[in-house]
Amino acid sequence: NAGVMQNPRHLVRRRGQEARLRCSPMKGHSHVYWYRQLPEEGLKFMVYLQKENIIDESGMPKERFSAEFPKEGPSILRIQQVVRGDSAAYFCASSLYTSSGGSGANVLTFGAGSRLTVL
Amino acid sequence: EDQVTQSPEALRLQEGESSSLNCSYTVSGLRGLFWYRQDPGKGPEFLFTLYSAGEEKEKERLKATLTKKESFLHITAPKPEDSATYLCAVRETSGSRLTFGEGTQLTVNP
Repeated sequence: NAGVMQNPRHLVRRRGQEARLRCSPMKGHSHVYWYRQLPEEGLKFMVYLQKENIIDESGMPKERFSAEFPKEGPSILRIQQVVRGDSAAYFCASSLYTSSGGSGANVLTFGAGSRLTVL
Repeated sequence: EDQVTQSPEALRLQEGESSSLNCSYTVSGLRGLFWYRQDPGKGPEFLFTLYSAGEEKEKERLKATLTKKESFLHITAPKPEDSATYLCAVRETSGSRLTFGEGTQLTVNP
């Protein structure tokens, strides 16, 4: 099991360009979370998705940011018209979630992150 | 709104010098408290989940405990390889996401 795979690991964009970050969850996991970590700050929740559904996007900026998790393929976090303030590490996590809980069901497994630099 | 506060922000220890990290939390109902370790340039790595007050879990030199208001991560006789940022997070009963604290940056000098 290769774990949560994120790519690209590093991405450089100029202001106004688009950034697309991809995340393949662990095998068997159908729940994906995106977090942002600004330099010297903690992890901030952005969005929670299941296959073909956005469950909670309360942490997502209203403009320029969007996320999807299609039936086939990776989850994608898309940032349009990037600005310097978007420079950060973006982490994806996946979980095997069951309503009954359990010691391992709700643990989030994180990827290595995608580091976006906006020039 | 869930709140998670970790202290201290940074901690320097000598190898073998035991200490504790604190995580204070405010949630409407706790569904789980999580500890992660994050090394520079990497994603958080899961350490422990605690579900109810009084619960304790151990892994090598680390021991996590939980009360109704806070959790402690005790580090016994640390080694330089324990140097990392330790993150605490909570999940409330009505949600699925984790809310993280700012972390404690631990440095263990040889």
